[in-house]
Amino acid sequence: IVMTQSPATLSVSPGERVTLSCGASQSISNKLAWYHQRPGQAPRLLIYDASIRATGVPARFSGGGFGTDFTLTISSLQSEDLGVYFCQQYNHWLYTFGQGTKVEI
Amino acid sequence: QVILEESGGGVVQPGKSLRLSCVVSGFPLSSSSLHWVRQAPGKGLEWVAFISSDGSERYYGDFVKGRFAISRDKAKNTVFLQMNNLGPEDTAVYYCARDSRRSGHFDSWGQGALVTVSS
Repeated sequence: IVMTQSPATLSVSPGERVTLSCGASQSISNKLAWYHQRPGQAPRLLIYDASIRATGVPARFSGGGFGTDFTLTISSLQSEDLGVYFCQQYNHWLYTFGQGTKVEI
Repeated sequence: QVILEESGGGVVQPGKSLRLSCVVSGFPLSSSSLHWVRQAPGKGLEWVAFISSDGSERYYGDFVKGRFAISRDKAKNTVFLQMNNLGPEDTAVYYCARDSRRSGHFDSWGQGALVTVSS
């Protein structure tokens, strides 16, 4: 399954509302996760099952979608939110990731 | 506190082998599935391998083509990735990641081990 993210890069200001998109080449139900990776660090789970926030993830992050179209929304961007966001499907072996959206402050 | 710590990375010549280790703490190995995920320099994430919580199931990415083997030592709380016949395309940071719900998403990650395949 091919995962496609858009846009590739997003330049935003602190406090802005940000929406990232992820599309699947075929239906994946709600089996989608979002990860955030800061420069030089390992990825961190933000959202799983399309809309459930992982433990410790701030409420400004929310996920939505079902089937083939998904979104990650940051309601009010903070400076620590810069980095790359990846989506991942786990409905079908082999697990696949999107190419990432880079968020620049 | 859940911790995963990879080791064993380094520079290796094409065609050679390398074994990565991932020592876990803060949870028993028998309670979670573990995965290896890699990231080539400046690139995205690529799933490599999976081992179930009881060690009975193992799956690999298509690109592995029989070259890699995932295993675990419960007594040492360690998961291994044996990589054989390495090529330059295998150059990447290799992360081990926990899948505590056996659902396919990764709730905890190690800091990664860099593998460089070069002559």
